[in-house]
Amino acid sequence: QVQLQQSGPGLVKPSQTLSLTCAISGDSVSSNSVAWNWIRQSPSRGLEWLGRTYYRSKWYNEYAVSVKSRITINPDTSKNQFSLQLNSVTPEDTALYYCVRGINSAFDMWGQGTMVTVSS
Amino acid sequence: DVVMTQSPDSLAVSLGERATINCKSSQSILYNSINKNQLAWYQQKPGQPPKLLIYWASTRESGVPDRFSGSGSGTDFTLTISSLQAEDVAVYFCQQFYNPPPMFTFGQGTKLEIK
Repeated sequence: QVQLQQSGPGLVKPSQTLSLTCAISGDSVSSNSVAWNWIRQSPSRGLEWLGRTYYRSKWYNEYAVSVKSRITINPDTSKNQFSLQLNSVTPEDTALYYCVRGINSAFDMWGQGTMVTVSS
Repeated sequence: DVVMTQSPDSLAVSLGERATINCKSSQSILYNSINKNQLAWYQQKPGQPPKLLIYWASTRESGVPDRFSGSGSGTDFTLTISSLQAEDVAVYFCQQFYNPPPMFTFGQGTKLEIK
């Protein structure tokens, strides 16, 4: 079955870059029927979709307007994984971050979550 | 931005009774080209990621018990649990997809407890 394994630091200093990776097993990052997403959850902002990458004969990246200027999501076909980079973080970016598979305009497989705290 | 508003914020229902959660979208999320509402429902238990229950407003995800059902179209949607079980205690979220620009938005959540 599909499993998503997240990795990355749990503490990031303000103004620095948050970087997380999601390793996929049981599916392919290059699948042409799904998308690979990052979603975060915090008490103040609830569940917030950040962006996605997907392959449909070529690669597409789409980002939420709220983070568009600071975010990059990249696929890595050699390792069958995808990554999140969020630049210039502030304490407002403190949240539980999930990598998630998207299909049929919904999210059917979730990683275990990584709690990221932005603090000096 | 499309705003999703759930009601109520919390709900207490007796075991075996029906539970109903509502979700209202600020814009229609019916995609006429495929005649499907881009609305999903999730269940989240403490310490776990959300679990997909329903997509396209009324299609039950594989493995989800048939006591869970979704209904509605356009801007108004409902999740119904026909006979509440103890394991259904959780927070429930609705989620929509709207395009363009591509955007996924979640409701604020409804906490379901046993009365």
